[in-house]
Amino acid sequence: AQKITQTQPGMFVQEKEAVTLDCTYDTSDQSYGLFWYKQPSSGEMIFLIYQGSYDEQNATEGRYSLNFQKARKSANLVISASQLGDSAMYFCAMRLLSNSNSGYALNFGKGTSLLVTP
Amino acid sequence: ETGVTQTPRHLVMGMTNKKSLKCEQHLGHNAMYWYKQSAKKPLELMFVYSLEERVENNSVPSRFSPECPNSSHLFLHLHTLQPEDSALYLCASSQDRVLAGGNEQFFGPGTRLTVL
Repeated sequence: AQKITQTQPGMFVQEKEAVTLDCTYDTSDQSYGLFWYKQPSSGEMIFLIYQGSYDEQNATEGRYSLNFQKARKSANLVISASQLGDSAMYFCAMRLLSNSNSGYALNFGKGTSLLVTP
Repeated sequence: ETGVTQTPRHLVMGMTNKKSLKCEQHLGHNAMYWYKQSAKKPLELMFVYSLEERVENNSVPSRFSPECPNSSHLFLHLHTLQPEDSALYLCASSQDRVLAGGNEQFFGPGTRLTVL
């Protein structure tokens, strides 16, 4: 079974600073996708960024970038120029990209609570 | 309406009640999902429907019964629930292209369920 580990239950960052949220994963499959989601207090899970296991370049989406280190099985999220609205729970998730029914499931980590301070 | 919507947003029910959660997606996706989010636990996948057929059921108790009448709608029928079933229930949808890479799941706002 795939396992996602987020070791930081809570993080603080000052507005306009950059912050890195850690994520490590464990799988024996070679083909997989890594996702980051943001969950504000309203509850909705908002997709942020995706990295495929065969992608050679780190994914970037605006202020979000994914520091993908395949050999270390880590997929850390970097948020640059933090804003107050970035305060939320952040979840790392993984899905196997295999042609089987098990390829549907997103396996989530426990999340990291980020608080951006003025 | 756009994206994924869920109703109701909040639900309080007794253990003997029967209720249903509704999810609707307006994204043209053909796969839909139910997740359960309990306090201090990772999201747990409950059910997956692809092209209106259930393709995954992660050992969920029979007091939860899903229904997918078409690719845009997903229901979760609840009966004789337990207090430990209190949680946030999230619906998601995606395009069912398993080999196509990203295929991110888009989530609804969730239904906050409290079982008394």
